[in-house]
Amino acid sequence: GQNIDQPTEMTATEGAIVQINCTYQTSGFNGLFWYQQHAGEAPTFLSYNVLDGLEEKGRFSSFLSRSKGYSYLLLKELQMKDSASYLCAVLDSNYQLIWGAGTKLIIKP
Amino acid sequence: DAMVIQNPRYQVTQFGKPVTLSCSQTLNHNVMYWYQQKSSQAPKLLFHYYDKDFNNEADTPDNFQSRRPNTSFCFLDIRSPGLGDAAMYLCATSNSGRTGYSNQPQHFGDGTRLSIL
Repeated sequence: GQNIDQPTEMTATEGAIVQINCTYQTSGFNGLFWYQQHAGEAPTFLSYNVLDGLEEKGRFSSFLSRSKGYSYLLLKELQMKDSASYLCAVLDSNYQLIWGAGTKLIIKP
Repeated sequence: DAMVIQNPRYQVTQFGKPVTLSCSQTLNHNVMYWYQQKSSQAPKLLFHYYDKDFNNEADTPDNFQSRRPNTSFCFLDIRSPGLGDAAMYLCATSNSGRTGYSNQPQHFGDGTRLSIL
């Protein structure tokens, strides 16, 4: 079967750095997305990785290792507004999007 | 601003009473999706349309139907809602090539939270 694993919940301090991991086992791979979802709201697109390496976009970076079936989202200089769920999703060989259940990130002052 | 709009934001219906949720987009994307999301769970794809071609997920219950009368609009009909259908329903759009396959990000509406009495 196809599977995406992320930690259920993480806690970090305002101003700090946090890394949210995602491991996947899918039938084929056509890219990996990270989405942010605030409570009661829709997911919003953060990043897309299809090649190995680190993609940096402001305070957020996303890393991919296809050989390890692994990605992480790195959030720097955490702000209270970053409290949200972060969802990892993988495009399989049929271009079907397989979603993880998300990691709830709690930011403390 | 180009966007995906869902109406209503909150919908309450009675057990067994049909309900329709709507979605419109101004992004001119050719693919539209309907997802069901329950608390702390991954979004679950119900259907998607590539232009007017309808694609039903194998495990989507028969109780759920969808219509896409034109490029801009898509509807989700729940014929006889049960208590287990209480969830957030998300509409999303993306662009794809002629094959219908896409690695473009999906753009989501704000969702409709459905409650069943």
